[in-house]
Amino acid sequence: DAKTTQPTSMDCAEGRAANLPCNHSTISGNEYVYWYRQIHSQGPQYIIHGLKNNETNEMASLIITEDRKSSTLILPHATLRDTAVYYCIVRVRQTGANNLFFGTGTRLTVIP
Amino acid sequence: NAGVTQTPKFRILKIGQSMTLQCTQDMNHNYMYWYRQDPGMGLKLIYYSVGAGITDKGEVPNGYNVSRSTTEDFPLRLELAAPSQTSVYFCASSYSVSSNQPQHFGDGTRLSIL
Repeated sequence: DAKTTQPTSMDCAEGRAANLPCNHSTISGNEYVYWYRQIHSQGPQYIIHGLKNNETNEMASLIITEDRKSSTLILPHATLRDTAVYYCIVRVRQTGANNLFFGTGTRLTVIP
Repeated sequence: NAGVTQTPKFRILKIGQSMTLQCTQDMNHNYMYWYRQDPGMGLKLIYYSVGAGITDKGEVPNGYNVSRSTTEDFPLRLELAAPSQTSVYFCASSYSVSSNQPQHFGDGTRLSIL
C-alpha cells in the first residue's frame, strides 16, 4: 500500500469547513483513497472513499487531484462532534484480504 | 442494526492468564479482521479471515490465535497474557475482498495486562 502523509493536528472553528489534506505521491493506478475517523474511545468510523473522481456523501466530500498524488477531505460545516483523529489510507486489493494500514492520522479539534 | 459487536469492553488480566475476546457481526460479511491499537498509534492487523474455516496472519500475530467456525463470529484468543499485549483491540468486517468495500469496526475491547 502507498504511504500517506498527513499533518499531525489541525484546528477548525465550529460551523466552518474543515479541510484535511493528505499526500500519497506513490499511489498506484488501482489504489483507492479511504478516509476513516476515530472519535475518542470509539472504533474507527468509515467516512468516504474514492479512486479518481471527487466523491460526496452525507458526511463529507473527497477531492482527489488529477494526478492522484494528494487528496482533501472536506467536512462542510464542522461541529464539536467532528473532533477526532482522521486517517487517510490508500489501499489496493491484496491476496486474501483488503487490509487497512493506519498511520497516525490528523487530530482535528473543532473550536467553539 | 447492531453491526460489529465486541465483548467485553474492558478487561484486566494477570500475566500468564488466558482469555478470549469476542466479536460478532450481523451484516453477513465474509471478511473479518482483528486489529490492535497502542496509545497514540495507528491500528495494526493481527489476524484476518476470508470466510468460515479460513484464517490467516496479519502484521502482528505472535501471542494470539483465532478461529472462524461461523460467518458471524471471529473470536481472538490470548493464551499466555503478557504486558506487551496491553492495548485496545478492534474487530472489523467487510463484505468482500474488493478494495472498493469499506471495513466496519466495533467499539473495541480495552485490555490491560498487569
